[in-house]
Amino acid sequence: GENVEQHPSTLSVQEGDSAVIKCTYSDSASNYFPWYKQELGKRPQLIIDIRSNVGEKKDQRIAVTLNKTAKHFSLHITETQPEDSAVYFCAASESGGSYIPTFGRGTSLIVHP
Amino acid sequence: EPEVTQTPSHQVTQMGQEVILRCVPISNHLYFYWYRQILGQKVEFLVSFYNNEISEKSEIFDDQFSVERPDGSNFTLKIRSTKLEDSAMYFCASSSDYLSEQYFGPGTRLTVT
Repeated sequence: GENVEQHPSTLSVQEGDSAVIKCTYSDSASNYFPWYKQELGKRPQLIIDIRSNVGEKKDQRIAVTLNKTAKHFSLHITETQPEDSAVYFCAASESGGSYIPTFGRGTSLIVHP
Repeated sequence: EPEVTQTPSHQVTQMGQEVILRCVPISNHLYFYWYRQILGQKVEFLVSFYNNEISEKSEIFDDQFSVERPDGSNFTLKIRSTKLEDSAMYFCASSSDYLSEQYFGPGTRLTVT
């Protein structure tokens, strides 16, 4: 089955800096990659997703890049703010005949004011 | 903005008992999901449900688990003969279409003693 590795487990940055979280996956059939933000004690919320037919997607301060050859994808947050502090999860799944997402272990992002 | 709701917010049960976790998906959504998150760990997919039947399930979703849409609004997860290791946060989610954004509920914290 799919295996998703996520690094780092903890990331501490100063407000205004950029943050990068990386994930690798094992199943070359995976072609849908969502990212979720989970604030402490709250529900996961989709922040951005990417499908394998594109290499990059941006939404304001958030971007995701995908390298299908290397089987890795990354989340980039620019101009970080304290409210970006949360746990971020990546996930990978096949989007063809089945949708069984495999999540990474999460990255705790701490943005210091 | 419509939200997924879940009840109860916290359920305490004794080992061996049956529990039913309830979810009300967003009203015009067609796809429903259950996930679990053991404290401090990653989110794990359990099952997806569409057109009144299970469309996908993970290895975790064994005979101990079942799902049902008993009426036009509720979506339930039943866990028979609970075990200590079933203690986790259980999230329900719904989406309007296959692989469109999934909206998560606030979760039910299940504690098995």
